[in-house]
Amino acid sequence: DVKVTQSSRYLVKRTGEKVFLECVQDMDHENMFWYRQDPGLGLRLIYFSYDVKMKEKGDIPEGYSVSREKKERFSLILESASTNQTSMYLCASSLIGFGLAGTDTQYFGPGTRLTVL
Amino acid sequence: GQQLNQSPQSMFIQEGEDVSMNCTSSSIFNTWLWYKQDPGEGPVLLIALYKAGELTSNGRLTAQFGITRKDSFLNISASIPSDVGIYFCAGPLNAGGTSYGKLTFGQGTILTVHP
Repeated sequence: DVKVTQSSRYLVKRTGEKVFLECVQDMDHENMFWYRQDPGLGLRLIYFSYDVKMKEKGDIPEGYSVSREKKERFSLILESASTNQTSMYLCASSLIGFGLAGTDTQYFGPGTRLTVL
Repeated sequence: GQQLNQSPQSMFIQEGEDVSMNCTSSSIFNTWLWYKQDPGEGPVLLIALYKAGELTSNGRLTAQFGITRKDSFLNISASIPSDVGIYFCAGPLNAGGTSYGKLTFGQGTILTVHP
């Protein structure tokens, strides 16, 4: 079974703090993704990565950065946390398969619920 | 861009009832995925569909890939309290091209089951 783990289930930080959210997958997937989920807004893609050291902006990258130094690990960084970044953060991974059946399935971690005070 | 319209947005049902939800798009999809998210958890894949007209079951869940490739349906039979959660449909962006595995998601259907 694919396993995606996230470093914390719950996190409370103060405005202005630098926050690191870590994600690790154990299935040698090339693609990794960070989403945030807010009530009524569904899943919104923040950043994704299709290879080590490669990153691409998603739909809402402002206020975030990412790091992928190893294939299995993808970190989301909030440079200076703000209250509007209070949210559920979800990490996911998938194979790179160029549209082949079965390769688009993303596997999600349990999520990190971040509260910024 | 490619958008998925999922309906209904929410459902309140009695235990034992059957549930139907659907997802539509103006674009063609080659794959349809259905996920369930339990409260406070990450989404978990329920069913994946790869062929137009395909009907796939997973226990009490049945999903269909629409013939037009622009829609998909998920049915849950004889609902139980643990079916509570948010159900998402999803499909790969830019069908036929290289999308780096990005998916587009429906807004989700929130299911509440009353005992």
